[in-house]
Amino acid sequence: QQQVKQSPQSLIVQKGGIPIINCAYENTAFDYFPWYQQFPGKGPALLIAIRPDVSEKKEGRFTISFNKSAKQFSLHIMDSQPGDSATYFCAASRNTGKLIFGQGTTLQVKP
Amino acid sequence: NAGVMQNPRHLVRRRGQEARLRCSPMKGHSHVYWYRQLPEEGLKFMVYLQKENIIDESGMPKERFSAEFPKEGPSILRIQQVVRGDSAAYFCASSPAGQNYEQYFGPGTRLTVT
Repeated sequence: QQQVKQSPQSLIVQKGGIPIINCAYENTAFDYFPWYQQFPGKGPALLIAIRPDVSEKKEGRFTISFNKSAKQFSLHIMDSQPGDSATYFCAASRNTGKLIFGQGTTLQVKP
Repeated sequence: NAGVMQNPRHLVRRRGQEARLRCSPMKGHSHVYWYRQLPEEGLKFMVYLQKENIIDESGMPKERFSAEFPKEGPSILRIQQVVRGDSAAYFCASSPAGQNYEQYFGPGTRLTVT
């Protein structure tokens, strides 16, 4: 019940494309869903986060869509650029300080 | 405004030695979290600390691992008698008091056990 399942494991898109990364959870007590971006050799950086009382949140080119009934949420990257090539992690938390991470998606944006 | 600082960035230890990993949280942050990332895997929660208190250590292995966050100085993750399976990247994150949702990560310490 503590798992967060992320897919796909890897993704390749052309510059300007819209990669979509999906996550699913079981525990309905989760109430905070962040996305992190990680470049090789670096720590994860907080990108954007959503709470279950909204269905969508946008920050720049990054959008989270949230489906509470399906217990799923996804990250969309608009107008993707080669500089977006990184590993993306979804996570979930329920105000305990413990983030439960998905397995990660390696994104490659081709020029 | 300096971010979360971790040192050393790389640490090599032989089997049986001790590893000490240090983490200084962002200025104004009083909560610290430690996560471990094994190769090709996601991050796994280990422990959540506030100054002089362990709040949640449910992710810590029962033996050889310990963590502290003293009143003064950095948080320390200590691994005694390291084994090859301890080789991983260890990340520290911090958050302000009362906001344990928004965690900001440091650059990590990459531990290699030979």
